[in-house]
Amino acid sequence: GAVVSQHPSWVICKSGTSVKIECRSLDFQATTMFWYRQFPKQSLMLMATSNEGSKATYEQGVEKDKFLINHASLTLSTLTVTSAHPEDSSFYICSARLHYEQYFGPGTRLTVT
Amino acid sequence: RKEVEQDPGPFNVPEGATVAFNCTYSNSASQSFFWYRQDCRKEPKLLMSVYSSGNEDGRFTAQLNRASQYISLLIRDSKLSDSATYLCVVSLPTSGTYKYIFGTGTRLKVLA
Repeated sequence: GAVVSQHPSWVICKSGTSVKIECRSLDFQATTMFWYRQFPKQSLMLMATSNEGSKATYEQGVEKDKFLINHASLTLSTLTVTSAHPEDSSFYICSARLHYEQYFGPGTRLTVT
Repeated sequence: RKEVEQDPGPFNVPEGATVAFNCTYSNSASQSFFWYRQDCRKEPKLLMSVYSSGNEDGRFTAQLNRASQYISLLIRDSKLSDSATYLCVVSLPTSGTYKYIFGTGTRLKVLA
């Protein structure tokens, strides 16, 4: 149990375009999901907390107009990177909360050229 | 000061060795504590939760000292498959839920 999927697993896009990443909890309902970003040789940094049916809570320094989060159902949250730039290239990982633990998706590797 | 600090390593140890990782956290409001394991280019996977009384899972033993704000992980009889990055994680209450703060990770390489 407690499986989280992400789609796509990797994506390459041109600078200036937008990319949407989906995070799904497959066998449980998650009122809260989290989005992280991980640069090479660095740790996971929390970007935002996504709550079903309400606005996401963004961490300090994360632009909410650039990283749009939608948590429209109890099993799906999406992160859209708008007007992507090469510096947005990173490993994006979502997690879904079940009780007091978080279960992580396999991550999405984004490369912006 | 980072909220969760770990020695980045790498720790290179021979098979069969015992290795210990330490972690300190700065926020006394931290509620729960975990060790995660992350393999290269993969998502983190929960290794074990950490309790004040200390807990053991096979070759792995975790300890928590709330007074010193210190967490440890001991791996006995290291296997080649233990090679990975070990992430110390604390949870902090926020906006009606909990958020995870990750340490930078300690890289372990077990050598044949």
